[in-house]
Amino acid sequence: SQQGEEDPQALSIQEGENATMNCSYKTSINNLQWYRQNSGRGLVHLILIRSNEREKHSGRLRVTLDTSKKSSSLLITASRAADTASYFCATGPHFGNEKLTFGTGTRLTIIP
Amino acid sequence: EAQVTQNPRYLITVTGKKLTVTCSQNMNHEYMSWYRQDPGLGLRQIYYSMNVEVTDKGDVPEGYKVSRKEKRNFPLILESPSPNQTSLYFCASSTRSGTRNTEAFFGQGTRLTVV
Repeated sequence: SQQGEEDPQALSIQEGENATMNCSYKTSINNLQWYRQNSGRGLVHLILIRSNEREKHSGRLRVTLDTSKKSSSLLITASRAADTASYFCATGPHFGNEKLTFGTGTRLTIIP
Repeated sequence: EAQVTQNPRYLITVTGKKLTVTCSQNMNHEYMSWYRQDPGLGLRQIYYSMNVEVTDKGDVPEGYKVSRKEKRNFPLILESPSPNQTSLYFCASSTRSGTRNTEAFFGQGTRLTVV
């Protein structure tokens, strides 16, 4: 079953603009992670935010987490053509299987 | 270099012909898993292993088998492939930090076509 739902499904912006993607989830989590996937390639981990954290930064990435709303957002600032990819949120549970449950992703296109 | 290696990258096979997709990681990770990715459905977990000789079903295990005889290897076996198993497959591994799971490392994927 899909835990995370990304919004929007697709996003096109001009190079240099900021891109914001949102993720909603359904159950209690230990952490939430964001991954990037270039077309047909493996997923690359971007950032992990734990359930007791509200905001985290890594370079041009900013992630927020609101556990009361069961939602997260990923902001990419000063976008570049190389940021064109699909972005997935994935949630890790509190207990049991270490499974990451992925959403269906946001397809981001940066227009040069 | 830390990595997860899958082979083959591309495979076309016929219905019913047994095949194995290999996965190996060099990070001494305890946890390994297999996912399939299909358009509109995202990534779905097939099987996972929390350590050597410990495996369990994920969300879509039907038609697949796995084994974990060594920590570094986690092969995915399709005993009798069918066309509905045509998909992009990913192996992933991760470790724990205390009681918390950490980031997953993914292989480059295996694109399987069953005709």
